[in-house]
Amino acid sequence: KNQVEQSPQSLIILEGKNCTLQCNYTVSPFSNLRWYKQDTGRGPVSLTIMTFSENTKSNGRYTATLDADTKQSSLHITASQLSDSASYICVVSDYKLSFGAGTTVTVRA
Amino acid sequence: DAGVIQSPRHEVTEMGQEVTLRCKPISGHDYLFWYRQTMMRGLELLIYFNNNVPIDDSGMPEDRFSAKMPNASFSTLKIQPSEPRDSAVYFCASSAPNTGELFFGEGSRLTVL
Repeated sequence: KNQVEQSPQSLIILEGKNCTLQCNYTVSPFSNLRWYKQDTGRGPVSLTIMTFSENTKSNGRYTATLDADTKQSSLHITASQLSDSASYICVVSDYKLSFGAGTTVTVRA
Repeated sequence: DAGVIQSPRHEVTEMGQEVTLRCKPISGHDYLFWYRQTMMRGLELLIYFNNNVPIDDSGMPEDRFSAKMPNASFSTLKIQPSEPRDSAVYFCASSAPNTGELFFGEGSRLTVL
Protein backbone atom coordinates (compact mmCIF):
# COMPACT_ATOMS: atom_id res chain seq x y z
CA LYS A 1 0.00 0.00 0.00
CA ASN A 2 1.34 3.41 -0.93
CA GLN A 3 1.95 5.55 2.12
CA VAL A 4 2.94 9.09 2.90
CA GLU A 5 4.27 9.74 6.38
CA GLN A 6 4.77 13.25 7.73
CA SER A 7 6.69 14.42 10.77
CA PRO A 8 6.41 15.97 13.18
CA GLN A 9 2.67 15.76 13.73
CA SER A 10 2.74 19.29 15.12
CA LEU A 11 5.21 21.95 16.12
CA ILE A 12 5.28 25.36 17.72
CA ILE A 13 7.81 27.99 16.73
CA LEU A 14 8.43 31.62 17.55
CA GLU A 15 7.81 34.27 14.96
CA GLY A 16 10.89 34.92 12.87
CA LYS A 17 12.37 31.45 13.38
CA ASN A 18 12.85 28.79 10.71
CA CYS A 19 11.42 25.29 10.69
CA THR A 20 11.56 22.15 8.55
CA LEU A 21 8.81 19.63 7.95
CA GLN A 22 9.50 16.10 6.75
CA CYS A 23 7.69 13.79 4.34
CA ASN A 24 8.66 10.17 3.64
CA TYR A 25 6.80 8.14 1.06
CA THR A 26 6.62 4.67 -0.41
CA VAL A 27 4.57 5.61 -3.48
CA SER A 28 5.89 3.93 -6.61
CA PRO A 29 6.11 4.67 -9.44
CA PHE A 30 6.51 8.33 -8.65
CA SER A 31 5.09 11.13 -10.75
CA ASN A 32 5.26 14.25 -8.60
CA LEU A 33 5.25 15.47 -5.02
CA ARG A 34 3.19 18.39 -3.79
CA TRP A 35 3.04 20.47 -0.65
CA TYR A 36 -0.22 22.13 0.32
CA LYS A 37 -0.96 24.70 3.02
CA GLN A 38 -4.33 24.50 4.73
CA ASP A 39 -5.45 27.34 6.95
CA THR A 40 -8.02 26.51 9.61
CA GLY A 41 -11.48 26.37 8.07
CA ARG A 42 -10.20 26.76 4.52
CA GLY A 43 -9.35 24.49 1.63
CA PRO A 44 -5.77 23.36 0.90
CA VAL A 45 -3.72 25.66 -1.32
CA SER A 46 -0.82 24.46 -3.42
CA LEU A 47 2.66 25.65 -2.40
CA THR A 48 4.91 23.61 -4.68
CA ILE A 49 4.81 20.75 -7.16
CA MET A 50 8.03 18.86 -7.90
CA THR A 51 8.66 16.19 -10.48
CA PHE A 52 11.19 13.38 -10.26
CA SER A 53 13.99 15.48 -11.76
CA GLU A 54 13.61 18.47 -9.44
CA ASN A 55 15.61 18.64 -6.21
CA THR A 56 14.40 21.95 -4.85
CA LYS A 57 11.67 24.44 -5.45
CA SER A 58 10.85 27.70 -3.74
CA ASN A 59 7.71 29.74 -3.28
CA GLY A 60 8.56 32.87 -1.35
CA ARG A 61 9.68 31.86 2.15
CA TYR A 62 8.77 28.22 1.47
CA THR A 63 11.42 25.91 0.03
CA ALA A 64 10.71 22.28 -0.75
CA THR A 65 13.39 19.68 -1.38
CA LEU A 66 13.08 16.24 -2.87
CA ASP A 67 15.34 13.20 -2.79
CA ALA A 68 13.66 10.68 -5.05
CA ASP A 69 16.31 8.05 -4.29
CA THR A 70 15.55 7.98 -0.58
CA LYS A 71 11.92 8.94 -1.14
CA GLN A 72 12.10 11.90 1.19
CA SER A 73 10.96 15.48 0.92
CA SER A 74 11.15 18.44 3.24
CA LEU A 75 9.45 21.81 3.43
CA HIS A 76 11.50 24.61 4.96
CA ILE A 77 9.82 27.77 6.22
CA THR A 78 12.15 30.72 6.56
CA ALA A 79 11.58 33.65 8.92
CA SER A 80 8.19 32.39 10.01
CA GLN A 81 5.23 34.74 10.29
CA LEU A 82 2.00 34.43 12.25
CA SER A 83 0.21 33.77 8.96
CA ASP A 84 2.26 30.60 8.51
CA SER A 85 0.18 28.97 11.25
CA ALA A 86 -1.57 26.21 9.31
CA SER A 87 -1.52 22.54 8.46
CA TYR A 88 0.98 21.50 5.78
CA ILE A 89 0.09 18.45 3.74
CA CYS A 90 2.47 16.38 1.62
CA VAL A 91 0.84 14.70 -1.38
CA VAL A 92 2.57 12.16 -3.59
CA SER A 93 1.28 11.17 -7.00
CA ASP A 94 1.64 8.07 -9.09
CA TYR A 95 -1.56 7.66 -11.10
CA LYS A 96 -3.53 8.87 -8.11
CA LEU A 97 -2.81 11.11 -5.15
CA SER A 98 -1.73 9.81 -1.74
CA PHE A 99 -2.13 12.30 1.09
CA GLY A 100 -0.10 12.60 4.26
CA ALA A 101 -1.84 13.34 7.54
CA GLY A 102 -0.25 16.79 7.68
CA THR A 103 1.92 18.74 10.10
CA THR A 104 0.24 21.45 12.14
CA VAL A 105 2.47 24.49 12.55
CA THR A 106 1.73 27.13 15.17
CA VAL A 107 3.71 30.35 15.03
CA ARG A 108 3.68 32.39 18.24
CA ALA A 109 4.61 36.05 18.65
CA ASP B 1 -11.53 33.56 -11.71
CA ALA B 2 -13.52 33.05 -8.50
CA GLY B 3 -11.97 29.66 -7.87
CA VAL B 4 -13.84 26.49 -6.96
CA ILE B 5 -17.14 27.42 -5.36
CA GLN B 6 -18.88 25.14 -2.88
CA SER B 7 -22.21 25.42 -1.13
CA PRO B 8 -23.37 25.33 1.53
CA ARG B 9 -20.35 26.22 3.68
CA HIS B 10 -22.01 24.75 6.74
CA GLU B 11 -24.83 22.23 7.03
CA VAL B 12 -26.37 20.87 10.20
CA THR B 13 -28.96 18.16 9.75
CA GLU B 14 -30.56 15.31 11.59
CA MET B 15 -29.82 11.67 11.04
CA GLY B 16 -31.88 10.24 8.21
CA GLN B 17 -32.17 13.47 6.27
CA GLU B 18 -30.94 13.92 2.72
CA VAL B 19 -27.92 16.17 2.23
CA THR B 20 -26.87 17.71 -1.07
CA LEU B 21 -23.52 19.45 -1.46
CA ARG B 22 -22.80 21.53 -4.53
CA CYS B 23 -19.69 22.47 -6.44
CA LYS B 24 -18.83 24.76 -9.31
CA PRO B 25 -15.33 24.01 -10.67
CA ILE B 26 -12.97 26.51 -12.25
CA SER B 27 -13.94 27.15 -15.85
CA GLY B 28 -11.83 25.14 -18.27
CA HIS B 29 -10.80 22.48 -15.76
CA ASP B 30 -11.68 19.01 -16.99
CA TYR B 31 -11.18 17.06 -13.76
CA LEU B 32 -13.38 17.37 -10.69
CA PHE B 33 -12.76 15.62 -7.39
CA TRP B 34 -14.79 15.15 -4.21
CA TYR B 35 -12.82 14.64 -0.99
CA ARG B 36 -13.81 14.11 2.62
CA GLN B 37 -11.63 15.31 5.49
CA THR B 38 -11.83 14.15 9.08
CA MET B 39 -9.41 14.40 11.98
CA MET B 40 -9.08 10.63 12.12
CA ARG B 41 -8.56 9.86 8.44
CA GLY B 42 -7.34 13.10 6.88
CA LEU B 43 -8.24 13.77 3.25
CA GLU B 44 -9.87 10.87 1.41
CA LEU B 45 -10.83 10.79 -2.25
CA LEU B 46 -14.47 9.86 -2.71
CA ILE B 47 -14.92 10.13 -6.47
CA TYR B 48 -13.56 11.98 -9.46
CA PHE B 49 -14.86 12.95 -12.87
CA ASN B 50 -13.12 13.62 -16.17
CA ASN B 51 -15.09 15.64 -18.70
CA ASN B 52 -18.23 15.09 -16.61
CA VAL B 53 -17.84 11.30 -16.63
CA PRO B 54 -17.27 9.47 -13.31
CA ILE B 55 -13.90 7.70 -13.55
CA ASP B 56 -13.28 6.25 -10.11
CA ASP B 57 -15.89 6.03 -7.36
CA SER B 58 -14.11 3.38 -5.31
CA GLY B 59 -13.76 5.84 -2.43
CA MET B 60 -17.47 6.34 -2.01
CA PRO B 61 -18.15 4.78 1.38
CA GLU B 62 -21.47 3.11 0.61
CA ASP B 63 -24.61 3.29 -1.44
CA ARG B 64 -25.91 6.16 0.63
CA PHE B 65 -23.43 8.37 -1.22
CA SER B 66 -23.92 9.42 -4.82
CA ALA B 67 -22.36 12.07 -7.04
CA LYS B 68 -23.35 13.58 -10.35
CA MET B 69 -21.85 16.00 -12.81
CA PRO B 70 -24.57 16.96 -15.28
CA ASN B 71 -22.37 19.54 -17.03
CA ALA B 72 -18.88 21.00 -16.94
CA SER B 73 -19.78 23.71 -14.45
CA PHE B 74 -21.72 21.85 -11.79
CA SER B 75 -21.48 18.78 -9.58
CA THR B 76 -23.38 17.47 -6.59
CA LEU B 77 -22.58 15.03 -3.81
CA LYS B 78 -25.64 13.56 -2.17
CA ILE B 79 -25.97 11.57 1.03
CA GLN B 80 -29.27 9.82 1.61
CA PRO B 81 -29.97 8.97 4.37
CA SER B 82 -27.32 10.79 6.36
CA GLU B 83 -25.75 9.33 9.50
CA PRO B 84 -23.73 10.94 12.32
CA ARG B 85 -20.54 9.24 11.07
CA ASP B 86 -20.87 11.23 7.84
CA SER B 87 -19.98 14.38 9.78
CA ALA B 88 -16.88 15.80 8.09
CA VAL B 89 -15.67 18.56 5.82
CA TYR B 90 -16.33 17.77 2.17
CA PHE B 91 -14.06 19.39 -0.38
CA CYS B 92 -14.48 19.76 -4.09
CA ALA B 93 -11.40 20.32 -6.22
CA SER B 94 -10.74 20.79 -9.91
CA SER B 95 -7.63 20.56 -12.03
CA ALA B 96 -6.43 21.94 -15.31
CA PRO B 97 -5.82 19.65 -18.29
CA ASN B 98 -2.05 20.00 -18.50
CA THR B 99 -0.65 20.81 -15.07
CA GLY B 100 -2.77 18.51 -12.94
CA GLU B 101 -2.51 21.07 -10.14
CA LEU B 102 -5.46 20.78 -7.79
CA PHE B 103 -7.51 23.79 -6.78
CA PHE B 104 -9.71 23.20 -3.76
CA GLY B 105 -12.89 24.91 -2.74
CA GLU B 106 -13.39 26.19 0.79
CA GLY B 107 -15.27 23.06 1.79
CA SER B 108 -18.70 22.20 3.15
CA ARG B 109 -18.73 21.36 6.85
CA LEU B 110 -21.43 18.77 7.49
CA THR B 111 -22.72 17.94 10.95
CA VAL B 112 -25.24 15.13 11.25
CA LEU B 113 -26.95 15.00 14.65
